[in-house]
Amino acid sequence: DVKVTQSSRYLVKRTGEKVFLECVQDMDHENMFWYRQDPGLGLRLIYFSYDVKMKEKGDIPEGYSVSREKKERFSLILESASTNQTSMYLCASSLWGLAVRETQYFGPGTRLLVL
Amino acid sequence: KQEVTQIPAALSVPEGENLVLNCSFTDSAIYNLQWFRQDPGKGLTSLLLIQSSQREQTSGRLNASLDKSSGRSTLYIAASQPGDSATYLCAVEYNNRKLIWGLGTSLAVNP
Repeated sequence: DVKVTQSSRYLVKRTGEKVFLECVQDMDHENMFWYRQDPGLGLRLIYFSYDVKMKEKGDIPEGYSVSREKKERFSLILESASTNQTSMYLCASSLWGLAVRETQYFGPGTRLLVL
Repeated sequence: KQEVTQIPAALSVPEGENLVLNCSFTDSAIYNLQWFRQDPGKGLTSLLLIQSSQREQTSGRLNASLDKSSGRSTLYIAASQPGDSATYLCAVEYNNRKLIWGLGTSLAVNP
């Protein structure tokens, strides 16, 4: 079974803090994704990566950056957290190819509260 | 504009009922369509993926159909159980590699 793990289930941070969300997958997947999910807005893609050290902006990259130094790990960084970044953050991975093309496997999510 | 709409937003049914969830999309140039399940406060689990050349996919009590010409997909759940209670999301990947998500249908199956 594919396993995608996220470093925290719940996180509380203060405005202006630098926040790191970590995601690890154990199936040698090429693609990894970061989404945020908000009521009434659904899932929105922040960034994705199709290879080590490669990254592509999604639909809402502002205020975020990412890092992929190893194939299995994809980090989402909030450079200076703001209250409007309070959300559920979901990491996903998929097998190969550019962008999507294959089914995505999701982690359990990190619910981030920025005060 | 490429959009995905799921109706209804919420559904409550008694256990044992057969039910249909709907997903409609505005652009027929799709590559594939996926149905996911999300339990409260948790991540998503892929249920079925239908390629654009396919008409339907089945997994156990679930059957998903795809009609590109009308821009619709349905997820049929047979003999529903309380354990089926969750939010069901539809995601459409278009040929331009954009993946568009619906907002989901929240399903409650009552014992």
